[in-house]
Amino acid sequence: NAGVTQTPKFRVLKTGQSMTLLCAQDMNHEYMYWYRQDPGMGLRLIHYSVGEGTTAKGEVPDGYNVSRLKKQNFLLGLESAAPSQTSVYFCASSIGLGGAQYFGPGTRLTVT
Amino acid sequence: EDQVTQSPEALRLQEGESSSLNCSYTVSGLRGLFWYRQDPGKGPEFLFTLYSAGEEKEKERLKATLTKKESFLHITAPKPEDSATYLCAVQGPLGNNDMRFGAGTRLTVKP
Repeated sequence: NAGVTQTPKFRVLKTGQSMTLLCAQDMNHEYMYWYRQDPGMGLRLIHYSVGEGTTAKGEVPDGYNVSRLKKQNFLLGLESAAPSQTSVYFCASSIGLGGAQYFGPGTRLTVT
Repeated sequence: EDQVTQSPEALRLQEGESSSLNCSYTVSGLRGLFWYRQDPGKGPEFLFTLYSAGEEKEKERLKATLTKKESFLHITAPKPEDSATYLCAVQGPLGNNDMRFGAGTRLTVKP
């Protein structure tokens, strides 16, 4: 039981490049989330999903897109990376809407 | 606007020196308050959920309490392995889709 895994662990992009971050969970959770964590700030919700085939915007969705084609996977895409998107990205999942979230190990992204 | 403020930003303790971390919040319709522990380079790890004022939860050397405006994480006789950043998160009426995290308190326990 691996819990929540994220790929890749590190990535460096040039401004304007695109990439996709992959999150996978093996706990059969319905809800999945993408957060970003910046120094001195709390985790901020980018997008979330309440089930396979569904996605919704969180607090800071601009510049990101997501897809949930399979229940266990949640993808975060950056179509045209900007330096302001330099951050650590965390994926999380939960059984229900109000339950504790289980986080992945994070992806450190640098955009130059 | 919903806000979560944690204090202090950083705390250094000697092994065995008990202390408390504070999380003050403003939210309409609190659904739950969560405490997480985050080690360097890793994702947050769930510790506690508190749902109503007066509730308390304990786990080893940690005890979390909740009032209508704030929560405390009490650490009794800490050990070096308790060193980590502790995050507080407040859940509004919409659940996890409506969550606000504090910036965290970085705790260092010296042997």
